[in-house]
Amino acid sequence: AQKITQTQPGMFVQEKEAVTLDCTYDTSDQSYGLFWYKQPSSGEMIFLIYQGSYDEQNATEGRYSLNFQKARKSANLVISASQLGDSAMYFCAIPMDSSYKLIFGSGTRLLVRP
Amino acid sequence: NAGVTQTPKFRILKIGQSMTLQCTQDMNHNYMYWYRQDPGMGLKLIYYSVGAGITDKGEVPNGYNVSRSTTEDFPLRLELAAPSQTSVYFCASSPNGAVGYFGPGTRLTVL
Repeated sequence: AQKITQTQPGMFVQEKEAVTLDCTYDTSDQSYGLFWYKQPSSGEMIFLIYQGSYDEQNATEGRYSLNFQKARKSANLVISASQLGDSAMYFCAIPMDSSYKLIFGSGTRLLVRP
Repeated sequence: NAGVTQTPKFRILKIGQSMTLQCTQDMNHNYMYWYRQDPGMGLKLIYYSVGAGITDKGEVPNGYNVSRSTTEDFPLRLELAAPSQTSVYFCASSPNGAVGYFGPGTRLTVL
C-alpha cells in the first residue's frame, strides 16, 4: 500500500528566502505521480505542482519547483523568494494503487516572517 | 465557470440525524471525489466516481453513501451521523483523474 510522509509539522522562513518542504513516499507502483497542494487559512485546496515518476526534468511552476529524487523516494517542494501570502498548510499527495485516488500526507504549516 | 460548488458551507447535526452534502461542477469533468479533513490532518478519500453511474469506495467509506446520476452532481449522504464524522468535507473534480479542482468545503459538526 502507498504511504506518504511529511516530517515537518511546521516551518518558518524569512520573506524573500527560499524554503524546502519535505515529502517522502512509499509505493510499489512503477509509474506514479506526486502532487503538491496549498491550503491557506481560508481552507480551500489549491493545486501547485505535479511531476510524473518518468519525467526526467524536475517540474517547475513559477516560484514552485519539485526536487524529485526517485532513489530516495522523496519529492520535496521548493518555494523560492517566499512571500507573506505563502503562509499556509502544504500537502503532498500520491495516487493510491495505480489509480486516480490520491492519498495525502499530514501536511506542513509554513509561516513566512516579514 | 463556477468550478466546483458545495452546499452547505456549515452545518451542525445531532447524533443520529441524516443529511446530504451537495457537490456540483460545471467543467464537464468525469472524475469526482469526496474527501474529509479532520483537524490538523491531511485529506482522506471517502468515495470517488469515474463517470455518471459509476462510484467506488475510498479509504474511509463507512457511514457514507454517494450517487452519480449526472456528470455534474455528486452528492454525499450521511446516515445516522456520529461525532466521529465531525470534519471538513471537500468535493473535487478532475478531467483526467490527475489534478483535482477542489470545492470550498463544508464544515460539519455532529453533537
